[in-house]
Amino acid sequence: GNSVTQMEGPVTLSEEAFLTINCTYTATGYPSLFWYVQYPGEGLQLLLKATKADDKGSNKGFEATYRKETTSFHLEKGSVQVSDSAVYFCALRDTGANSKLTFGKGITLSVRP
Amino acid sequence: DTGVSQDPRHKITKRGQNVTFRCDPISEHNRLYWYRQTLGQGPEFLTYFQNEAQLEKSRLLSDRFSAERPKGSFSTLEIQRTEQGDSAMYLCASSPLPGPTSNTGELFFGEGSRLTVL
Repeated sequence: GNSVTQMEGPVTLSEEAFLTINCTYTATGYPSLFWYVQYPGEGLQLLLKATKADDKGSNKGFEATYRKETTSFHLEKGSVQVSDSAVYFCALRDTGANSKLTFGKGITLSVRP
Repeated sequence: DTGVSQDPRHKITKRGQNVTFRCDPISEHNRLYWYRQTLGQGPEFLTYFQNEAQLEKSRLLSDRFSAERPKGSFSTLEIQRTEQGDSAMYLCASSPLPGPTSNTGELFFGEGSRLTVL
């Protein structure tokens, strides 16, 4: 079945540091890929997405590129802020009629001033 | 606010009691999903509806769990004879039908209903 694997956390960085959060997936066909973010006390919200190979999703300074050859969708940001402290989830959407998302375990990011 | 709303936000119950959660999706969304999230884990799929039809149920959804969406609008998730292992955050999400002009697979989540079984 489909699965998403995220790097182990938590991650603690200083403000303005470079961020990479790794995500790899296993799926048949050509899934769509997503990063969701959960800020403290809030619900999950979409951060960015990519629907086909080599697509780059971007939002709020975050980027991720859909790499089919390495089945990866790593999240990057050049300069993190304290306000980026949150839990980040990588997810994939099945191809076909069923549109459910399969999530990774999530990783907690803490950014120190 | 026209986002996904869930009620109650928190529920504490004793083992063996029944609990029911309600989800009101974004009004024009045809699809509604239930997920469960435990501490340190990502959301796990439970079930989803397209309008009033329940199209898929996870094997995680034991026979003590039942979900309905009687008029294709709000949905309820009932857990009978709760167990301590049912303690989790229950998330509801909705989405439009996929199409050339709609979002490609994005789900819109509510803030969740946290269940604690004592």
